[in-house]
Amino acid sequence: EDQVTQSPEALRLQEGESSSLNCSYTVSGLRGLFWYRQDPGKGPEFLFTLYSAGEEKEKERLKATLTKKESFLHITAPKPEDSATYLCAVHPPNDYKLSFGAGTTVTVRA
Amino acid sequence: DTEVTQTPKHLVMGMTNKKSLKCEQHMGHRAMYWYKQKAKKPPELMFVYSYEKLSINESVPSRFSPECPNSSLLNLHLHALQPEDSALYLCASSQVDMITYNEQFFGPGTRLTVL
Repeated sequence: EDQVTQSPEALRLQEGESSSLNCSYTVSGLRGLFWYRQDPGKGPEFLFTLYSAGEEKEKERLKATLTKKESFLHITAPKPEDSATYLCAVHPPNDYKLSFGAGTTVTVRA
Repeated sequence: DTEVTQTPKHLVMGMTNKKSLKCEQHMGHRAMYWYKQKAKKPPELMFVYSYEKLSINESVPSRFSPECPNSSLLNLHLHALQPEDSALYLCASSQVDMITYNEQFFGPGTRLTVL
């Protein structure tokens, strides 16, 4: 069965302390990998779509990269407002639905 | 505009009540979805509508009844729910059907509590 694993489960950072979140997957022939940010009690907010190995996307302090077996979400010089749960989801080639990882909860302290 | 709206934001209902959740998008998307999300878990797919027709039902109990009146609107009718149905209900939409590629935009969700 296709699997998406995110690590770490939780990440506590000091403001300005850069770090990376990992999303590894066992899907072959990926149709797309998606990153979302979710604040407590709210719907996921779309961040990035990655389609092929080597692809990179950036938005403010966030940068997403993709290899054949994993994706990284780099947070550069985070601020407290970057605190959220970051979800990774993949679209397998022969399935109609997204496979979500369990998420990484990031807490940035001032 | 990448906004999906959902009403109400919060809903408390008894097990004998009938209520409805509403979702609207004006992005011209032709696929719309209902998800259920429990605390500290990822969203779980419930239903998919493609071109206003129900294309996927993830074996959801009949006490949940979806409806897509037009390409912009999606409803979820609730009847005789159980306390374990309490969750955040999310609506999402995407530009194309899930079979091709999938970039979904989610609404803010409805927090449902079943007493």
